[in-house]
Amino acid sequence: GQQVMQIPQYQHVQEGEDFTTYCNSSTTLSNIQWYKQRPGGHPVFLIQLVKSGEVKKQKRLTFQFGEAKKNSSLHITATQTTDVGTYFCAGQDGNKLVFGAGTILRVKS
Amino acid sequence: NAGVTQTPKFQVLKTGQSMTLQCAQDMNHNSMYWYRQDPGMGLRLIYYSASEGTTDKGEVPNGYNVSRLNKREFSLRLESAAPSQTSVYFCASNRGADSPLHFGNGTRLTVT
Repeated sequence: GQQVMQIPQYQHVQEGEDFTTYCNSSTTLSNIQWYKQRPGGHPVFLIQLVKSGEVKKQKRLTFQFGEAKKNSSLHITATQTTDVGTYFCAGQDGNKLVFGAGTILRVKS
Repeated sequence: NAGVTQTPKFQVLKTGQSMTLQCAQDMNHNSMYWYRQDPGMGLRLIYYSASEGTTDKGEVPNGYNVSRLNKREFSLRLESAAPSQTSVYFCASNRGADSPLHFGNGTRLTVT
């Protein structure tokens, strides 16, 4: 079945530094979704990318979908302490979503 | 708007005991899912129900059963709990394939 790999597993940054997490799929994806989970919370949907090469922005967050629709990235500019949490990508596999293992982001103030 | 409601929030079981995790959504979603989350392993799909009346296995179904009671409710049953089932369990729902998932607050289960 489809596999979704996400790196890095863990990133600790100084407040104000940038952060990027990468997601790679073993198969071509129809779409990719990104979620954020705050410590002790549940995953919350951030965005969905559908088109090849698509780039979407949400304030300081930039999401990209690769041209081959097999990889994606999430970039946060000038991290803040409110960005702390785990970021997951998820690829569609038929009727279900397959999640990457997530990247844990810690921000030092 | 309650969204997705899971009960209980916490549970401790002894090995061999059984229990049912309850999940209900009030968004008129067609599809419902059960995931487990373990450190370093992300969210792994246990079972899902693409529509009322259907259920399918996910990546890690062994040791679990599910019931799609009606369009709103999707329960997860552990017939004979094992320590390997210690985890955080999340129920989720969506309109269908390609739409965002809405998650419940989770159930933290410990099996001793």
